[in-house]
Amino acid sequence: EVQLVESGGGLVQPGGSLRLSCAASGFTFTSYAMSWVRQAPGKGLEWVSTIGTSGGSTYYADSVKGRFTISRDNSKNTLHLQMNSLRAEDTAVYYCAKDGDLFTKWGQGTLVTVSS
Amino acid sequence: EIVLTQSPATLSLSPGERATLSCRASQSVSSYLVWYQQKPGQAPRLLIYDASNRATGIPARFSGSGSGTDFTLTISSLEPEDFAVYYCQQRSNWPPITFGQGTRLEIK
Repeated sequence: EVQLVESGGGLVQPGGSLRLSCAASGFTFTSYAMSWVRQAPGKGLEWVSTIGTSGGSTYYADSVKGRFTISRDNSKNTLHLQMNSLRAEDTAVYYCAKDGDLFTKWGQGTLVTVSS
Repeated sequence: EIVLTQSPATLSLSPGERATLSCRASQSVSSYLVWYQQKPGQAPRLLIYDASNRATGIPARFSGSGSGTDFTLTISSLEPEDFAVYYCQQRSNWPPITFGQGTRLEIK
């Protein structure tokens, strides 16, 4: 069974940093691109970033480009999202999703709150 | 960036009725249009990919149609568990991957 388990969310002050992780199991991690999608409270879905199978290709939404970095550790079946210079508008549930542009499986999400 | 517009914003229907949800793209996405279902407090779930293909385990009452810029998700006979928010997403031309703003399907 495919499982994606996010961790690392929490409360952070504006301008601060946070690193999210997503532990994957139940599928051949190295064969799939992976993505992050977020959802602000009471709002819709927003794609954040996608990484290719080897980590050599990365893509970002304009809203996070230059502040967020997606990476993966294929030896540990883990996806990461390093978030720097956080802003109030980054407050959201962050979902890890399997695949690059067709999100076949989603984690349960981790809440990031940016507030002073 | 391809903008997806979903209508209506809210749809009020009763169990057993037919639901028709619309997603319109600002430019052609060919057939690369995806539908997700999200229930309160849960992660989204893939329903339909590439306009008309049901994902694994999705009941036959869910169907998708359309191509180019106009797409429809149809639920033939609503079950109580179908009341949720539905999002469309395009994967034709990215980045960025874009989602519609969602249609809330509520019990009348």
